[in-house]
Amino acid sequence: ILNVEQSPQSLHVQEGDSTNFTCSFPSSNFYALHWYRWETAKSPEALFVMTLNGDEKKKGRISATLNTKEGYSYLYIKGSQPEDSATYLCALNTGNQFYFGTGTSLTVIP
Amino acid sequence: DTAVSQTPKYLVTQMGNDKSIKCEQNLGHDTMYWYKQDSKKFLKIMFSYNNKELIINETVPNRFSPKSPDKAHLNLHINSLELGDSAVYFCASRQRTGAYNSPLHFGNGTRLTVT
Repeated sequence: ILNVEQSPQSLHVQEGDSTNFTCSFPSSNFYALHWYRWETAKSPEALFVMTLNGDEKKKGRISATLNTKEGYSYLYIKGSQPEDSATYLCALNTGNQFYFGTGTSLTVIP
Repeated sequence: DTAVSQTPKYLVTQMGNDKSIKCEQNLGHDTMYWYKQDSKKFLKIMFSYNNKELIINETVPNRFSPKSPDKAHLNLHINSLELGDSAVYFCASRQRTGAYNSPLHFGNGTRLTVT
């Protein structure tokens, strides 16, 4: 079992603040790094899939970067809105297998 | 149209019973998964099938048996249910094994409560 760690575990920010969280993973057997957004009482939804070292992806106010050599990915949210409140999960894909982190729970306070 | 659908959404049953959870995807994906969400909201892989063939079988009690009649369906049958089986079970699908740019698509989960 590969250890995928996310920090912080939870985060409260004011509406309009920008924030970021970290996903750390072992570099061996790397195929892809996924980010998912998981709202309460719903199912995880894919945000980004990144495969190459140095990848940067953006969707609206949310962006992510990837460093496969040192084994980390950052997720950034610019100008947080209450609707951004959710748990953000990263998952290391090593071929057939996915190893999920425990998530960062974000609460955006209006 | 729901891409990955699970039934039932809620399942309450007594210890010792046998129950099934069904999953269907209409995305044309080859690979399907079952995940268990533990009390800390951690998603743990249970099984994966690729085009009806079992490719991942993690250490789960053999009371849990997956069945894939075709590549669009992956059902989970649980025998002799125990209190510790209470959890939310998520089905997911993916385009195919080896499609590394392809994300997982999750169902809405089945909350199983064993009393």
